[in-house]
Amino acid sequence: EVQLVESGGGLVQPGGSLRLSCAASGFTFSTSWMSWVRHVPGKGLEWVANIKEDGSETYYVDSMKGRYIISRDNAKNSLYLQMNSLRTEDTAVYYCITMSRGAMWCYWGQGTLVAVSS
Amino acid sequence: DVVMTQSPFSLPVTLGQPASISCRSSQSLVHSDGNTYLNWFQQRPGQSPRRLIYKVSNRDSGVPDRFSGSGSGTDFTLKISRVEAEDVGVYYCMQATHWPWTFGQGTKVEIK
Repeated sequence: EVQLVESGGGLVQPGGSLRLSCAASGFTFSTSWMSWVRHVPGKGLEWVANIKEDGSETYYVDSMKGRYIISRDNAKNSLYLQMNSLRTEDTAVYYCITMSRGAMWCYWGQGTLVAVSS
Repeated sequence: DVVMTQSPFSLPVTLGQPASISCRSSQSLVHSDGNTYLNWFQQRPGQSPRRLIYKVSNRDSGVPDRFSGSGSGTDFTLKISRVEAEDVGVYYCMQATHWPWTFGQGTKVEIK
């Protein structure tokens, strides 16, 4: 059974940093693209970042480029999101995802809440 | 960025009746590889999103056949042939053709 378990969310002040983790199991993590998606309260879903199987390529939405860093440790079957210079508008539930855009493969974690507030 | 526009914003439906959600993209979603990476997601209250449809019309594993997707280019539709109580939630279209991948604003399906 595929499982994605996020952790590391919490309350942080504007300008602060937080590191999210996602523990993956039930599939071959090292051969899967991984992503982070967020759901802003009262708004919709927003794709955050993608990382290639071996970590050699990363892609970010412009509003997070330079502030967020997606990374992975294939030896630990883990995905990470380092979030710096956090803003109140970054408050959201962050989801870890593995998805193939062209095949029957898409799994989401349960999400972790990040609240940015003074 | 590609803007995805869904309609309607809210969709009250009667149990057992059909429902349809429209999604329009600001540019063609045909990828250079010939595929159209248009997805539909369902988010039930209190749950993580779940993908229903990929590449316009392909159902994901475990998705009931009352859900179907269609369309091409910039215009797409999700149809539910007969709405059941478990279909209540917010539905999002999402394009994965052009980076950054983008979602529509969501359509809330509720029972009348």
